[in-house]
Amino acid sequence: KAGVTQTPRYLIKTRGQQVTLSCSPISGHRSVSWYQQTPGQGLQFLFEYFSETQRNKGNFPGRFSGRQFSNSRSEMNVSTLELGDSALYLCASGGQTNTEAFFGQGTRLTVV
Amino acid sequence: AQTVTQSQPEMSVQEAETVTLSCTYDTSESDYYLFWYKQPPSRQMILVIRQEAYKQQNATENRFSVNFQKAAKSFSLKISDSQLGDAAMYFCAYRRRSGGGADGLTFGKGTHLIIQP
Repeated sequence: KAGVTQTPRYLIKTRGQQVTLSCSPISGHRSVSWYQQTPGQGLQFLFEYFSETQRNKGNFPGRFSGRQFSNSRSEMNVSTLELGDSALYLCASGGQTNTEAFFGQGTRLTVV
Repeated sequence: AQTVTQSQPEMSVQEAETVTLSCTYDTSESDYYLFWYKQPPSRQMILVIRQEAYKQQNATENRFSVNFQKAAKSFSLKISDSQLGDAAMYFCAYRRRSGGGADGLTFGKGTHLIIQP
């Protein structure tokens, strides 16, 4: 069974631009959640999607958004990028009971 | 809101020895899950072990075991017979049981584990 796939692995963007990150969950998983990891703030929950519906969102500004498609693939978008958005963005998928989270390798975003 | 605290930023252990990583948490919930994740230099988070709060028995996975003290809100990870491949950042995480996983995980700041050959 293929794991969680995140694309791209690395990204460099300029301040003010927007970016879209993609996540394909493990086959059969319907939940996808996103996390931001920075040296200063650690790992922080961004949002969670289940069957195309956002069920919960962490404490992030509205510049951070996401969506989930009917095949459970998810995208997150960050608009008007700031230097502080530089981080590792991790996606995780959850199984039938959504008890455990299985992570992808992450997308390293650098904003210059 | 729940919080997870890992008080040891870094730990070092000799290969083949045993090491214990500490984690405490705060929650008003009575039913929840606790996890230990490992993040090696590749940056991928790997689930090491899971504990369900309603189970009194401590979880074990091969060389990894936990000491879950619900009343003390303590959840430590013991790694026996440490191997070089165990070197990584270790994160303790919490998720409440209700909500079907919608809440996401709350992570501690992590403990950097160094294995000395």
